[in-house]
Amino acid sequence: DGGITQSPKYLFRKEGQNVTLSCEQNLNHDAMYWYRQDPGQGLRLIYYSQIVNDFQKGDIAEGYSVSREKKESFPLTVTSAQKNPTAFYLCASSIDWAARAYEQYFGPGTRLTVT
Amino acid sequence: AQSVTQLDSQVPVFEEAPVELRCNYSSSVSVYLFWYVQYPNQGLQLLLKYLSGSTLVESINGFEAEFNKSQTSFHLRKPSVHISDTAEYFCAVTFRTASKLTFGTGTRLQVTL
Repeated sequence: DGGITQSPKYLFRKEGQNVTLSCEQNLNHDAMYWYRQDPGQGLRLIYYSQIVNDFQKGDIAEGYSVSREKKESFPLTVTSAQKNPTAFYLCASSIDWAARAYEQYFGPGTRLTVT
Repeated sequence: AQSVTQLDSQVPVFEEAPVELRCNYSSSVSVYLFWYVQYPNQGLQLLLKYLSGSTLVESINGFEAEFNKSQTSFHLRKPSVHISDTAEYFCAVTFRTASKLTFGTGTRLQVTL
């Protein structure tokens, strides 16, 4: 079955450590996205990638980094510079950049806890 | 700034009762409208969407939403809820001048016996 996988489901880290969240899709989608979800705040866009080898900052990119070396993979690194990293992180994709407006598919999410 | 408002953070309802989850958006520009559902510790699933055409859209599990341009609303309704409908529901809007998906803060629907 086609879809988006995120691993791990739960992640625990000590403050000051960088951590990388995995996102893989086998939908053959060009565009991929990372969102952060906090209670009572909805989803906020961290980074997006229109196509392989390209990525752009979203609304809250500070303290995060990404890469897009393969079409199916879009890992997110939460760096020690991110002041409040504890959150639920969701990866999404769309068939192409234009479809971001009307058809995004979401992965199951990774819950990151930093203490 | 363009925004999406879900006024109710939580909606408790008894099983088999009707429910309405409210969603309003800030601008009258052309929009695409969506409802997503999120079950505990899971990702978002698209419930239904309005892109054009009929203002009343339906999902396969009995939910419906109506696009009201004059009131800039896209409320979600179900005539009879089930325990399994317990989840968080997010309204999302693409303001076509921005082509960016903007989410509301979510409404937690709690269905009890």
